[in-house]
Amino acid sequence: AQSVTQPDIHITVSEGASLELRCNYSYGATPYLFWYVQSPGQGLQLLLKYFSGDTLVQGIKGFEAEFKRSQSSFNLRKPSVHWSDAAEYFCAVTLYGQNFVFGPGTRLSVLP
Amino acid sequence: DAGITQSPRHKVTETGTPVTLRCHQTENHRYMYWYRQDPGHGLRLIHYSYGVKDTDKGEVSDGYSVSRSKTEDFLLTLESATSSQTSVYFCAISPGMNEQYFGPGTRLTVT
Repeated sequence: AQSVTQPDIHITVSEGASLELRCNYSYGATPYLFWYVQSPGQGLQLLLKYFSGDTLVQGIKGFEAEFKRSQSSFNLRKPSVHWSDAAEYFCAVTLYGQNFVFGPGTRLSVLP
Repeated sequence: DAGITQSPRHKVTETGTPVTLRCHQTENHRYMYWYRQDPGHGLRLIHYSYGVKDTDKGEVSDGYSVSRSKTEDFLLTLESATSSQTSVYFCAISPGMNEQYFGPGTRLTVT
């Protein structure tokens, strides 16, 4: 069955530290891949997306993600976390753009 | 931000009553989606629409129906609300087979 996993339910990092959030997918083909961020009480905002081409994609707010076909992964990274990055992060995939599947989310806490 | 509004933003209703949530867009996008968000589950697709009067079921469609009579409006109906349908409901729109833009959400409590 098609699925998206985010192994870390909750991650805590210190402000200024680097960040990596993991996302793995299980699909028969390479899907389109997305990362979204959700601040408390808000809707989801697109951070970045991967359709094809360069496997390292840049997004908004200083985030980047790397697609690794061999590992079926699309991990999100940021070199230096800011307190305002505290939020919940969702990985999402779609094969044909009609049925999007979201991971369960990773909640990020940032220590001052 | 994409022009998406959801109404109501909060609703408390009793078990067994019908409830309709509205999603309205001003972007003229073809695709519209309804999701529910519950702790530990992320977002799960309820129904989606790929055009006026064209809809299809998602992962968790039981107990829900939808209608889209105009490009800009996508309605989600709970025919007889149950406590298991207490959730936060998000509408999303998309111009095609790419990223989605999300509304602010509707918090529904069924007592």
